[in-house]
Amino acid sequence: AQSVTQPDIHITVSEGASLELRCNYSYGATPYLFWYVQSPGQGLQLLLKYFSGDTLVQGIKGFEAEFKRSQSSFNLRKPSVHWSDAAEYFCAVGAKGGKLIFGQGTELSVKP
Amino acid sequence: DVKVTQSSRYLVKRTGEKVFLECVQDMDHENMFWYRQDPGLGLRLIYFSYDVKMKEKGDIPEGYSVSREKKERFSLILESASTNQTSMYLCASSLTGDGYTFGSGTRLTVV
Repeated sequence: AQSVTQPDIHITVSEGASLELRCNYSYGATPYLFWYVQSPGQGLQLLLKYFSGDTLVQGIKGFEAEFKRSQSSFNLRKPSVHWSDAAEYFCAVGAKGGKLIFGQGTELSVKP
Repeated sequence: DVKVTQSSRYLVKRTGEKVFLECVQDMDHENMFWYRQDPGLGLRLIYFSYDVKMKEKGDIPEGYSVSREKKERFSLILESASTNQTSMYLCASSLTGDGYTFGSGTRLTVV
Protein backbone atom coordinates (compact mmCIF):
# COMPACT_ATOMS: atom_id res chain seq x y z
CA ALA A 1 0.00 0.00 0.00
CA GLN A 2 1.11 3.51 -0.67
CA SER A 3 2.37 5.54 2.26
CA VAL A 4 4.30 8.68 3.09
CA THR A 5 6.58 9.10 6.08
CA GLN A 6 7.84 12.39 7.41
CA PRO A 7 10.27 11.32 10.13
CA ASP A 8 10.50 14.69 11.86
CA ILE A 9 7.43 15.89 13.71
CA HIS A 10 8.98 19.21 14.70
CA ILE A 11 12.10 21.05 13.54
CA THR A 12 13.55 24.32 14.78
CA VAL A 13 16.05 26.30 12.72
CA SER A 14 17.57 29.72 13.08
CA GLU A 15 16.57 32.46 10.69
CA GLY A 16 19.02 32.52 7.79
CA ALA A 17 20.05 28.89 8.26
CA SER A 18 19.44 26.22 5.65
CA LEU A 19 16.53 23.82 5.90
CA GLU A 20 15.89 20.25 4.85
CA LEU A 21 12.62 18.48 5.56
CA ARG A 22 12.59 14.75 4.96
CA CYS A 23 9.98 12.73 3.14
CA ASN A 24 10.01 9.03 2.27
CA TYR A 25 7.33 7.34 0.24
CA SER A 26 6.23 3.86 -0.61
CA TYR A 27 4.69 3.47 -4.04
CA GLY A 28 5.00 0.77 -6.68
CA ALA A 29 4.98 2.84 -9.83
CA THR A 30 6.57 6.16 -10.74
CA PRO A 31 5.19 8.49 -8.10
CA TYR A 32 3.66 11.91 -8.39
CA LEU A 33 5.04 13.82 -5.40
CA PHE A 34 3.99 17.05 -3.76
CA TRP A 35 4.93 19.38 -0.94
CA TYR A 36 2.33 21.59 0.72
CA VAL A 37 2.62 24.27 3.39
CA GLN A 38 -0.02 25.19 5.94
CA SER A 39 0.08 28.39 7.96
CA PRO A 40 -1.84 28.35 11.27
CA GLY A 41 -5.60 28.27 10.76
CA GLN A 42 -5.29 28.13 6.98
CA GLY A 43 -5.70 25.59 4.22
CA LEU A 44 -2.79 23.91 2.49
CA GLN A 45 -0.88 25.67 -0.28
CA LEU A 46 1.05 23.81 -2.97
CA LEU A 47 4.80 24.53 -2.82
CA LEU A 48 5.98 22.27 -5.62
CA LYS A 49 5.32 19.02 -7.42
CA TYR A 50 7.23 16.32 -9.24
CA PHE A 51 5.75 14.26 -12.05
CA SER A 52 8.72 13.31 -14.22
CA GLY A 53 11.90 14.68 -15.77
CA ASP A 54 14.44 16.71 -13.86
CA THR A 55 14.68 15.30 -10.36
CA LEU A 56 15.38 18.70 -8.83
CA VAL A 57 12.17 20.68 -8.71
CA GLN A 58 11.85 24.38 -7.99
CA GLY A 59 8.83 25.73 -6.20
CA ILE A 60 7.42 28.91 -4.77
CA LYS A 61 8.89 30.93 -1.90
CA GLY A 62 12.45 29.78 -2.72
CA PHE A 63 11.86 26.10 -1.95
CA GLU A 64 13.18 23.17 -3.93
CA ALA A 65 12.92 19.41 -3.61
CA GLU A 66 14.93 16.52 -4.98
CA PHE A 67 13.43 13.21 -6.04
CA LYS A 68 15.73 10.26 -5.33
CA ARG A 69 14.21 7.04 -6.60
CA SER A 70 16.94 4.84 -5.07
CA GLN A 71 16.14 6.22 -1.61
CA SER A 72 12.37 6.63 -2.14
CA SER A 73 12.78 10.17 -0.92
CA PHE A 74 11.56 13.61 -1.86
CA ASN A 75 13.21 16.00 0.57
CA LEU A 76 12.34 19.68 0.69
CA ARG A 77 15.11 22.27 0.98
CA LYS A 78 15.58 25.98 1.34
CA PRO A 79 19.01 27.63 1.49
CA SER A 80 18.06 30.42 3.89
CA VAL A 81 14.99 30.31 6.09
CA HIS A 82 12.89 33.39 6.85
CA TRP A 83 10.73 33.87 9.94
CA SER A 84 7.65 33.76 7.68
CA ASP A 85 8.49 30.16 6.73
CA ALA A 86 7.32 28.96 10.15
CA ALA A 87 4.41 26.65 9.33
CA GLU A 88 3.51 23.01 8.95
CA TYR A 89 4.76 21.17 5.88
CA PHE A 90 3.15 18.14 4.30
CA CYS A 91 4.57 15.73 1.78
CA ALA A 92 2.12 13.78 -0.39
CA VAL A 93 2.16 11.07 -3.04
CA GLY A 94 -0.44 10.67 -5.76
CA ALA A 95 -2.38 7.42 -5.50
CA LYS A 96 -4.91 5.64 -7.67
CA GLY A 97 -7.99 7.50 -8.70
CA GLY A 98 -6.56 10.95 -8.24
CA LYS A 99 -6.27 10.78 -4.46
CA LEU A 100 -3.27 12.05 -2.54
CA ILE A 101 -1.77 10.28 0.44
CA PHE A 102 -0.32 12.71 2.95
CA GLY A 103 2.42 12.37 5.50
CA GLN A 104 1.79 13.36 9.09
CA GLY A 105 3.42 16.73 8.61
CA THR A 106 6.51 18.48 9.97
CA GLU A 107 6.09 21.60 12.04
CA LEU A 108 8.81 24.16 11.39
CA SER A 109 9.73 26.78 13.99
CA VAL A 110 12.16 29.59 13.15
CA LYS A 111 14.35 31.16 15.83
CA PRO A 112 15.22 34.84 15.45
CA ASP B 1 -5.68 30.48 -10.26
CA VAL B 2 -8.20 27.92 -9.11
CA LYS B 3 -10.12 29.04 -6.13
CA VAL B 4 -11.76 26.73 -3.63
CA THR B 5 -14.13 28.52 -1.31
CA GLN B 6 -15.47 27.12 1.92
CA SER B 7 -18.55 28.95 3.09
CA SER B 8 -17.60 29.37 6.74
CA ARG B 9 -14.25 29.85 8.48
CA TYR B 10 -15.66 29.19 11.95
CA LEU B 11 -18.82 27.39 12.95
CA VAL B 12 -20.30 26.49 16.34
CA LYS B 13 -23.11 23.94 16.43
CA ARG B 14 -24.98 22.04 19.09
CA THR B 15 -24.88 18.29 19.59
CA GLY B 16 -27.52 16.57 17.48
CA GLU B 17 -27.83 19.34 14.92
CA LYS B 18 -27.61 18.60 11.20
CA VAL B 19 -24.65 20.56 9.85
CA PHE B 20 -23.88 21.50 6.26
CA LEU B 21 -20.37 22.48 5.16
CA GLU B 22 -20.25 23.93 1.68
CA CYS B 23 -17.38 23.98 -0.78
CA VAL B 24 -17.29 25.60 -4.21
CA GLN B 25 -14.52 25.52 -6.82
CA ASP B 26 -14.37 27.70 -9.91
CA MET B 27 -12.11 25.84 -12.34
CA ASP B 28 -14.14 22.90 -13.62
CA HIS B 29 -12.22 20.29 -11.61
CA GLU B 30 -13.81 16.87 -11.75
CA ASN B 31 -12.47 15.66 -8.38
CA MET B 32 -13.45 17.05 -5.01
CA PHE B 33 -12.48 15.91 -1.52
CA TRP B 34 -13.35 16.44 2.12
CA TYR B 35 -10.74 15.93 4.82
CA ARG B 36 -10.68 16.51 8.51
CA GLN B 37 -7.51 17.54 10.28
CA ASP B 38 -6.81 16.87 13.93
CA PRO B 39 -3.61 17.38 15.93
CA GLY B 40 -1.45 14.29 15.82
CA LEU B 41 -3.69 12.53 13.30
CA GLY B 42 -2.82 14.45 10.15
CA LEU B 43 -5.30 14.72 7.29
CA ARG B 44 -7.94 12.02 7.08
CA LEU B 45 -10.10 11.57 4.02
CA ILE B 46 -13.84 11.54 4.72
CA TYR B 47 -15.42 11.41 1.26
CA PHE B 48 -14.49 12.23 -2.29
CA SER B 49 -16.24 12.61 -5.61
CA TYR B 50 -15.07 12.06 -9.18
CA ASP B 51 -18.07 13.53 -10.89
CA VAL B 52 -21.49 15.00 -10.38
CA LYS B 53 -23.74 12.74 -8.30
CA MET B 54 -20.85 10.36 -7.66
CA LYS B 55 -19.32 9.82 -4.25
CA GLU B 56 -16.86 7.44 -2.68
CA LYS B 57 -16.14 6.76 0.97
CA GLY B 58 -12.78 7.72 2.29
CA ASP B 59 -11.10 6.44 5.42
CA ILE B 60 -13.52 7.84 8.01
CA PRO B 61 -17.00 8.24 6.49
CA GLU B 62 -19.00 7.28 9.59
CA GLY B 63 -21.30 10.06 10.74
CA TYR B 64 -20.93 11.99 7.49
CA SER B 65 -22.58 12.13 4.10
CA VAL B 66 -21.94 14.24 1.01
CA SER B 67 -23.81 15.74 -1.89
CA ARG B 68 -22.59 16.76 -5.32
CA GLU B 69 -25.49 18.00 -7.42
CA LYS B 70 -23.35 20.38 -9.48
CA LYS B 71 -19.77 19.97 -10.63
CA GLU B 72 -18.54 23.02 -8.78
CA ARG B 73 -20.13 22.32 -5.40
CA PHE B 74 -19.41 19.55 -2.90
CA SER B 75 -21.24 19.58 0.41
CA LEU B 76 -20.34 17.70 3.56
CA ILE B 77 -23.23 16.84 5.87
CA LEU B 78 -22.98 15.88 9.51
CA GLU B 79 -26.25 14.04 10.03
CA SER B 80 -26.29 14.49 13.81
CA ALA B 81 -23.32 16.44 15.05
CA SER B 82 -21.36 15.05 17.98
CA THR B 83 -18.56 16.54 20.05
CA ASN B 84 -16.03 14.14 18.51
CA GLN B 85 -16.67 15.82 15.17
CA THR B 86 -15.13 19.04 16.45
CA SER B 87 -12.30 19.53 13.98
CA MET B 88 -10.83 21.51 11.10
CA TYR B 89 -12.51 20.51 7.84
CA LEU B 90 -10.67 21.01 4.58
CA CYS B 91 -12.13 20.84 1.10
CA ALA B 92 -9.98 20.32 -1.99
CA SER B 93 -10.42 19.92 -5.72
CA SER B 94 -8.22 18.60 -8.50
CA LEU B 95 -7.90 17.42 -12.05
CA THR B 96 -7.08 13.72 -12.21
CA GLY B 97 -3.31 13.20 -12.04
CA ASP B 98 -2.62 16.64 -10.60
CA GLY B 99 -2.28 18.04 -7.11
CA TYR B 100 -5.05 19.40 -4.96
CA THR B 101 -6.13 22.98 -4.48
CA PHE B 102 -7.38 23.46 -0.94
CA GLY B 103 -9.88 25.81 0.57
CA SER B 104 -9.06 27.82 3.68
CA GLY B 105 -10.78 25.37 5.98
CA THR B 106 -13.75 25.45 8.34
CA ARG B 107 -13.09 25.11 12.03
CA LEU B 108 -16.17 23.41 13.45
CA THR B 109 -16.88 23.28 17.16
CA VAL B 110 -19.71 21.06 18.39
CA VAL B 111 -20.91 21.88 21.90
